Formats: sequence, structure tokens, C-alpha cells
Amino acid sequence: GAGVSQSPSNKVTEKGKDVELRCDPISGHTALYWYRQSLGQGLEFLIYFQGNSAPDKSGLPSDRFSAERTGGSVSTLTIQRTQQEDSAVYLCASSLAEGAFFGQGTRLTVV
Amino acid sequence: QKEVEQNSGPLSVPEGAIASLNCTYSDRGSQSFFWYRQYSGKSPELIMFIYSNGDKEDGRFTAQLNKASQYVSLLIRDSQPSDSATYLCAGVPDYKLSFGAGTTVTVRA
Repeated sequence: GAGVSQSPSNKVTEKGKDVELRCDPISGHTALYWYRQSLGQGLEFLIYFQGNSAPDKSGLPSDRFSAERTGGSVSTLTIQRTQQEDSAVYLCASSLAEGAFFGQGTRLTVV
Repeated sequence: QKEVEQNSGPLSVPEGAIASLNCTYSDRGSQSFFWYRQYSGKSPELIMFIYSNGDKEDGRFTAQLNKASQYVSLLIRDSQPSDSATYLCAGVPDYKLSFGAGTTVTVRA
């Protein structure tokens, strides 16, 4: 597709379970970002990839959060042992030079 | 200090007026700046980018960059109710996209 694709669109999970969120960036975009946005709040930076490496993972809230990117393309954000405070919209964006383009987000609800 | 700051609170303007949004940044090495629009419940959408000092116009939107003073602004002319959204300024210090907190604009019909 032409845009950034995220899956699933919605995820409801029980507290304590692990979840995986996927991001398919725009083809050829070398930079990939993950952000988190809670209701009514701003964008919270999580991690940044350049190619397959992550020069900045300073925004990951705890060691329950991890992310990887393979083949300079698809990225997966994994949250282990989910907590209720993890509930938010998780946004992925990819970029080449002239700005970053966002996917539609994954709405995660931990019950 | 955050790398990109948007300090102005919610902005309410009447339909047809000019909405003016401001953003400051701390990294003098930043070269590129972006404005995003985010409607409630939607993802941010890139509406403008600017690299050079001065003004850049695109339809009813004008982005302004002043590198000496380290500020970026966005003007929305002839504001419409459909412009009601949160506007996010972003820069690229250290090659990482960094966002301000956003300014919520409401255009009153």
C-alpha cells in the first residue's frame, strides 16, 4: 500500500498478557518511529529506528516494552505483562526526508 | 528544556479570521520543521514543512521560519470550522523527529 499500515486497529487484552503491535512503513522509508498517545494527551515518543538499528530507545517506559525492525521495513512493538496504564493509542510513523507519515494507530485497551 | 516547545494554550478564532500558532526550538542545528494537524480521534497529518528562513505558503496556510530567533509559526488564513483541530509543530534535532505538545484551535462559526 501507499501509506503506513498498522495492525491490529484495535486490541483488547487482559492485564498480564503480552501483546504485539505491527507497523508496515512506506516502502523505502529508512526512519521509523513509535509514539504513544493517551486520551487527550500529546504524543509520547517511544523509540526511533534508522534502518534496523535503534539509535534512540529512551522513550520506552519500562523493560516490559521492546521493539525490533527487520529488513529495514516491518517493525514490531511488544509489550509484556500488560498493565492498565498501557492503555493508549500506539502510533507508528515512517520518514525519508520531508516529514514523517503516520499510520492509523492501534488502540490498545487493557482490561 | 524540551527540544520543541509550543506554549500557547487553546486558541479560539471566529470563522474567516487568521489563526496564528507559534513554536520555539532549542537546537540551533535543526534544519527542518513540520506542522501537523490532528483531528480528534485521528492520526496526525503532515500539512506543511519548511527548511529555509522566511515564509512558505500553501493555500490558506503559511509557515514561517526564523532561524536567528529559533521560532517557527503557522498562519491559517480565512479560518474555517473544518480547521478546528490540534496543530503540532515538529523539528528534527539529532536526526530524530521531535514534537511539541500541540495547540488546539477552535474556529467559531
